[in-house]
Amino acid sequence: GQNIDQPTEMTATEGAIVQINCTYQTSGFNGLFWYQQHAGEAPTFLSYNVLDGLEEKGRFSSFLSRSKGYSYLLLKELQMKDSASYLCVFMDSNYQLIWGAGTKLIIKP
Amino acid sequence: GAVVSQHPSRVICKSGTSVKIECRSLDFQATTMFWYRQFPKKSLMLMATSNEGSKATYEQGVEKDKFLINHASLTLSTLTVTSAHPEDSSFYICSATAGGPIETQYFGPGTRLLVL
Repeated sequence: GQNIDQPTEMTATEGAIVQINCTYQTSGFNGLFWYQQHAGEAPTFLSYNVLDGLEEKGRFSSFLSRSKGYSYLLLKELQMKDSASYLCVFMDSNYQLIWGAGTKLIIKP
Repeated sequence: GAVVSQHPSRVICKSGTSVKIECRSLDFQATTMFWYRQFPKKSLMLMATSNEGSKATYEQGVEKDKFLINHASLTLSTLTVTSAHPEDSSFYICSATAGGPIETQYFGPGTRLLVL
C-alpha cells in the first residue's frame, strides 16, 4: 500500500530552526512536495523534490532520500507567521498526489 | 505565480438544494483541474480529476451523480453539489495544472460549504 507518516504536531521558538520529517511507502514515485497550509486556507506550494539531495529556497529547504523513503522540510529563522500545518505529499506512479495529514507547527515567542 | 480563484469563498444553503462552486485559472490555461475536499484537521482528499472537454475521473467512493464536475474550458471547472445534506458541509478546494503530470498544482483559496 501507499502511506505517508509525519508528526502530528511540533513546537518551536521564534528565530530557531525546525526540521519536519516525513517518511513514505509507495510502489512508484514521481516526486515529493511540501505544502504550507494556514488554518482555513488552501495549501500553498513550498517545494518539489524528485532527485536525492537538498533543495534550498530562502528560509526553507527540503531534502529527499528516495532509497530511504524519507524527506524533511527545514525551516530557519522561524517567524510567528510560520505557524501553520506542513503537508508532505508524494506523487505516485500514476501521477496522483498522496497527501499526508500534515504537521501542525506552533511557533512560540 | 499562477493564480487560481474559487467562487464563492463561503456558502450556506438549506438541505436539499444544489450548490455550484467555480474554479478558474486566471493567468494560465489549465489542462487539468482537481477537486479536493478537506474535513477539519484532516488532509485533503482528492475527489476527482477533470480534463478540459472530457468527463471527470472520480475517486473511489465519490458519488458522480452527487458531485457533478464540468470542465468546459481551459480556464474554468465547476463542481455542483446536488441535493446537499449537512454531511456535505466541508471545505472544497480546487487546483489546476498548466500541463504535464509533474507540473506543479496551483491551489484555489477554497470554498467553505455549510449545509443547514
